[in-house]
Order: sequence, then structure tokens, then C-alpha cells
Amino acid sequence: NAGVMQNPRHLVRRRGQEARLRCSPMKGHSHVYWYRQLPEEGLKFMVYLQKENIIDESGMPKERFSAEFPKEGPSILRIQQVVRGDSAAYFCASSSRDSEETQYFGPGTRLLVL
Amino acid sequence: ELKVEQNPLFLSMQEGKNYTIYCNYSTTSDRLYWYRQDPGKSLESLFVLLSNGAVKQEGRLMASLDTKARLSTLHITAAVHDLSATYFCAGLGDSGYALNFGKGTSLLVTP
Repeated sequence: NAGVMQNPRHLVRRRGQEARLRCSPMKGHSHVYWYRQLPEEGLKFMVYLQKENIIDESGMPKERFSAEFPKEGPSILRIQQVVRGDSAAYFCASSSRDSEETQYFGPGTRLLVL
Repeated sequence: ELKVEQNPLFLSMQEGKNYTIYCNYSTTSDRLYWYRQDPGKSLESLFVLLSNGAVKQEGRLMASLDTKARLSTLHITAAVHDLSATYFCAGLGDSGYALNFGKGTSLLVTP
């Protein structure tokens, strides 16, 4: 059973460009969570999605950030017009049911904004 | 909002020694998680603690939960180099699904 997949693993963008981060949950999981890890910090919750629905995006910046989890295909975290402060590791996690099951994390995408 | 504090943040210990990492949290949390992260890698789930007095052990690691004191501990017995990593504790916030993480404890086990 493949784990949570994320790609790309590393992404370099110049200020003002767009970043698209992809996450495929574990097989059988329909709940996806995105977290951001800044250097020397713990992970911070960004958004929680189920198929075709955003359940909670309270941890996501109001501007430039968006997330989706379409009926088919991976979940996408999109950052428009990136700035240097967006440089971080972005982790996706999935679970089979919310709050009942452990969240399993992907390998992360390390975004560097030049 | 649930706040999670770990200490120490950095820990260097010799092989064969014992030590405890502490995790305090500010409000009631239904469950407490411990994760391990190796440099540049993802988070690996170690333990899920569900109730007061819960104790779980895996190899040289043992985790416990005291909900009244809002404290969880991760005890390391007879440390070996392979345990070198960053250990995070996390609790479920009011939402019931968003994990609130501590800053992590970077553990280095030296010969």
C-alpha cells in the first residue's frame, strides 16, 4: 500500500511566480490536510479537504493561497505570486476518517523562493 | 487555541543513557500524538495516546499521557544512534482534526 505521495519534492521559484504542489493520499483515504513547516518550527495547519469540498481553510493565508481536492486526481495547493516568506516545507497528510484515525504524512515539498 | 510546548528543544545524549522529553498542552485535547522526523524527511507516526494514563511502548521509546496535568512524556531508554531525529508531539485542537504541533525536540545521540 503506497503511502502519501507528494510532488515535486523540491521546487524553486522566483518572486512573483506561481507554485503548484500536489498530493495523492493513501489508497482508501478521502481526507486530506495541508501543513506548512517553517525552519526550526513545528508544523502549522493550513487547510482540510475532502473530495470536492474545502472543509476548513482557516489556517491558510487569505490571499494568494488556494487548495482543491477534485473528484479525480491529486489535491493541489496553489500559491500565486510567491514571496520569499513562502519558502517552507509543505506537508500533506491523509486519513480515512477525520479525528478518528492517525494522519499519515507525505514526504513534503520543499519550496524555495528566490 | 490549543498550544503545545515541548522541552527541551535540543538534546544531546550519550548512547546507553536514558532521558525524557516533555510535552505540555494548554487545553483539553482528545488525543496526543508523537511523531518522528529525520532530516529532510516526512513525519513518521510513533504513538497515539487516547486516554488518561495511557502508556505505549515501542522498542526503546515509551510514551505516556496525563490528561489532568496536560502532560505527555516520551521516555528514551538506553539510547542508540539510530534514535537521532526530531520528535514532535501534537494534539488535536478544538476542530477535532487540525493537529497543533510543538516546535519539536532535536535529539542527537553520540557514542
